[in-house]
Amino acid sequence: AQTVTQSQPEMSVQEAETVTLSCTYDTSESDYYLFWYKQPPSRQMILVIRQEAYKQQNATENRFSVNFQKAAKSFSLKISDSQLGDAAMYFCAYHRTGQNFVFGPGTRLSVLP
Amino acid sequence: EADIYQTPRYLVIGTGKKITLECSQTMGHDKMYWYQQDPGMELHLIHYSYGVNSTEKGDLSSESTVSRIRTEHFPLTLESARPSHTSQYLCASYSPNTEAFFGQGTRLTVV
Repeated sequence: AQTVTQSQPEMSVQEAETVTLSCTYDTSESDYYLFWYKQPPSRQMILVIRQEAYKQQNATENRFSVNFQKAAKSFSLKISDSQLGDAAMYFCAYHRTGQNFVFGPGTRLSVLP
Repeated sequence: EADIYQTPRYLVIGTGKKITLECSQTMGHDKMYWYQQDPGMELHLIHYSYGVNSTEKGDLSSESTVSRIRTEHFPLTLESARPSHTSQYLCASYSPNTEAFFGQGTRLTVV
């Protein structure tokens, strides 16, 4: 069965600095999708960024980018120019067509003013 | 904004009561999910559905039940609430090859 590991239960970053959240996953498949979701306190879970495994190019969305290392099964999220509104739980997720999502345990990110 | 809605947002109820948590989506998605999540903790899949009249139990054993009579509606029912059911319940639907959309959650407290 696929598993997703986030080895950092908590992280903190100074406002305007850069932080990287780690995620590793285990799969024997070659075609799948990876996601980072953000859950602010008492607010809705929203998609931050998405990566198709067949694409070698790392996905980027404004201040958010990923470092996708398929052979190493690693999918880290980099947040540049961190803002107070980035404070949230971040969940890494794996999905393969026809299967359910597999979520990691989450990383709580604090942004320090 | 995702078109998936959960009601109520907050619910405090006495032990032994029957409750139904509502989840609706207007995106026409076949796949829908219920997750249980203690605040700030990981998600646990408790039920899912791949379409009308299809329901399955998830990875986490739950005393709740679900139904899927219409594509857009996926309610979760607790026949007899207990304090151990106190948690947040998240509903999600999935758009094939794109992403999962989440509702705002229902925070349930059983006293």
